[in-house]
Amino acid sequence: GEDVEQSLFLSVREGDSSVINCTYTDSSSTYLYWYKQEPGAGLQLLTYIFSNMDMKQDQRLTVLLNKKDKHLSLRIADTQTGDSAIYFCAEMYNQGGKLIFGQGTELSVKP
Amino acid sequence: EAGVVQSPRYKIIEKKQPVAFWCNPISGHNTLYWYRQNLGQGPELLIRYENEEAVDDSQLPKDRFSAERLKGVDSTLKIQPAELGDSAVYLCASSLTGSNTEAFFGQGTRLTVV
Repeated sequence: GEDVEQSLFLSVREGDSSVINCTYTDSSSTYLYWYKQEPGAGLQLLTYIFSNMDMKQDQRLTVLLNKKDKHLSLRIADTQTGDSAIYFCAEMYNQGGKLIFGQGTELSVKP
Repeated sequence: EAGVVQSPRYKIIEKKQPVAFWCNPISGHNTLYWYRQNLGQGPELLIRYENEEAVDDSQLPKDRFSAERLKGVDSTLKIQPAELGDSAVYLCASSLTGSNTEAFFGQGTRLTVV
């Protein structure tokens, strides 16, 4: 069955790098995603990676994919207080447009 | 360009009452999703539409939930009657197609059943 797991909390100092990790189960996933959710808001798509890629960089964001271990990570460089939010990892399940989300990682950035 | 618009933002109802949520997807997006997000959890798909057709409603509790997407644009999700356990945020999302890479979410409707 499909399942996505994330650690629940991460706390970093402003200016440090943050690394949020995720594991998934569906080896046929075509795309893997990172969404950001601020309090009271919907989900904002941050970035995504195609399953045949190992890495994708987009400004301060770096996504690493280890398909063998079914492990996805999101690195945020120079983390700012505005990055404080809940980050969701998601996989596109069975190529059918259905996103399977993890339970979210709450990132807290301290000044 | 307007994003996905949902209304209302908040709704408080008593149990056993009906409730409806409305979603207007991004113009031109053929695929529309309704997700439910329980407190402290990630969203879970309730139903997916390709134009007017519900192509995946396997997670929709059909005894009390219903949805429609007339004319393949706006959509309404209804609960009747609501139960205490239905308290959650109901999120609507849209994408160009079902296999498209990017799904865009609305701000959600926070439902509280008392």
